Amino acid sequence: GQNIDQPTEMTATEGAIVQINCTYQTSGFNGLFWYQQHAGEAPTFLSYNVLDGLEEKGRFSSFLSRSKGYSYLLLKELQMKDSASYLCAVRVITGGGNKLTFGTGTQLKVEL
Amino acid sequence: ETGVTQTPRHLVMGMTNKKSLKCEQHLGHNAMYWYKQSAKKPLELMFVYSLEERVENNSVPSRFSPECPNSSHLFLHLHTLQPEDSALYLCASSQTSVTSSYNEQFFGPGTRLTVL
Repeated sequence: GQNIDQPTEMTATEGAIVQINCTYQTSGFNGLFWYQQHAGEAPTFLSYNVLDGLEEKGRFSSFLSRSKGYSYLLLKELQMKDSASYLCAVRVITGGGNKLTFGTGTQLKVEL
Repeated sequence: ETGVTQTPRHLVMGMTNKKSLKCEQHLGHNAMYWYKQSAKKPLELMFVYSLEERVENNSVPSRFSPECPNSSHLFLHLHTLQPEDSALYLCASSQTSVTSSYNEQFFGPGTRLTVL
């Protein structure tokens, strides 16, 4: 089976940088996704890593180390609108479809 | 606004009712998914359809019955539900290929279900 761990809650200050960690144990690893979900809304795709290293996309970056089963999402120049839940999801190789296993999500609160 | 729509957005039903949730994707994808999201728990994958065939059924009780009549539509038929089935039900779609590159899933806004 798969096991994904991420902190339940984090608080950060507007304009600051925050790093949200995710660790996983899985077989058949085939990529890691980060999604953002505002309360009452659909999760929206943020980033994807399948090879080790850092992927940068504007204010958001995501890092992956497959040997350590570890990823992080880095948010820079935090804005109030970044207050949301951040979901780490691991994709595994399966017989059909595109199967994602999600962590519980990290609720980020951005304060003034 | 995403290319995946779900109706209804909110549903309240009794344990003896029968209702259906509908999902439609306008992205030309070939795979669709049902997830359940309960408070303080991870998104739980329920069903996967790839090319209109069910390829995954994650030990979901038979009171949940999916239907995928074509690649754009997905239904979740509900009957004799329990109060613990109250949750947000999310639909998603993706383009699945043999080469399996990005293939991120696009989610609908969900149906907030309350079972009384």
